[in-house]
Amino acid sequence: EAGVTQFPSHSVIEKGQTVTLRCDPISGHDNLYWYRRVMGKEIKFLLHFVKESKQDESGMPNNRFLAERTGGTYSTLKVQPAELEDSGVYFCASSQVSASGGEQYFGPGTRLTVT
Amino acid sequence: GENVEQHPSTLSVQEGDSAVIKCTYSDSASNYFPWYKQELGKRPQLIIDIRSNVGEKKDQRIAVTLNKTAKHFSLHITETQPEDSAVYFCAAVRWGKLIFGQGTELSVKP
Repeated sequence: EAGVTQFPSHSVIEKGQTVTLRCDPISGHDNLYWYRRVMGKEIKFLLHFVKESKQDESGMPNNRFLAERTGGTYSTLKVQPAELEDSGVYFCASSQVSASGGEQYFGPGTRLTVT
Repeated sequence: GENVEQHPSTLSVQEGDSAVIKCTYSDSASNYFPWYKQELGKRPQLIIDIRSNVGEKKDQRIAVTLNKTAKHFSLHITETQPEDSAVYFCAAVRWGKLIFGQGTELSVKP
C-alpha cells in the first residue's frame, strides 16, 4: 500500500511569488490534514478535510493560504503571495478515523523556502 | 483551544539508559494522545498512543502513561539505543486535529 505522498519535496521561491503544494493521501482515507513546522518549532495544524469538505480550517494563518480537495482525493495548498515567514516544512497527513482519534499517516513533507 | 507543553526540549542520554519526556495539555476533553518520532529528514511516524480511558500502555521498550486528573502524559524509553536518536513529539487530539508539543530532540550516545 502506498503511503502519503507530497510534491514537490523542496521549493524555493521569491517573496511575492505563488507556490502550490500537492498531497496524495492513502487511498480510501477520507480525512486529510495539513500541518506546518516553522523554524524547528512545533508542528502546527492548518486544516482538516473530510472528503472534499473543509471540516476545520482554524489553523490557516491568513487569506494568502488556500486549500482545496476537489473530488475528495488529492489536495492542494496554495500560498499567494508568499512571504518570508511562510518558510517551513509543510506536512500532509491522512487517516480513516477522525473525531475519536486514530493514527494519522504523514507524508514526507514539502520544504518551502521563501527568499 | 488546546495547548500542549512538552519538556525537555533536548535530552542526551548514554546508550542503555532510560529517557523520559513529559507533556501537559489544557483541554480536558482531549481523548487521544499519540507520540510521533521524526528522524532527520524523514516524516513523523507514530510510535505509540494512548486513549483517555487507559492509564498506561507498553510496547517493548516504549511505554506511555496518562494522568487525566493532572492532564499530563509521559513517554518512557528504556534501554535506549543510538537508533532512538530523533525528535519526539507528543500530541493531544480532540475532533481529529493533532495539537503538538514543541518537540524533544533525543540524542543517544554510544
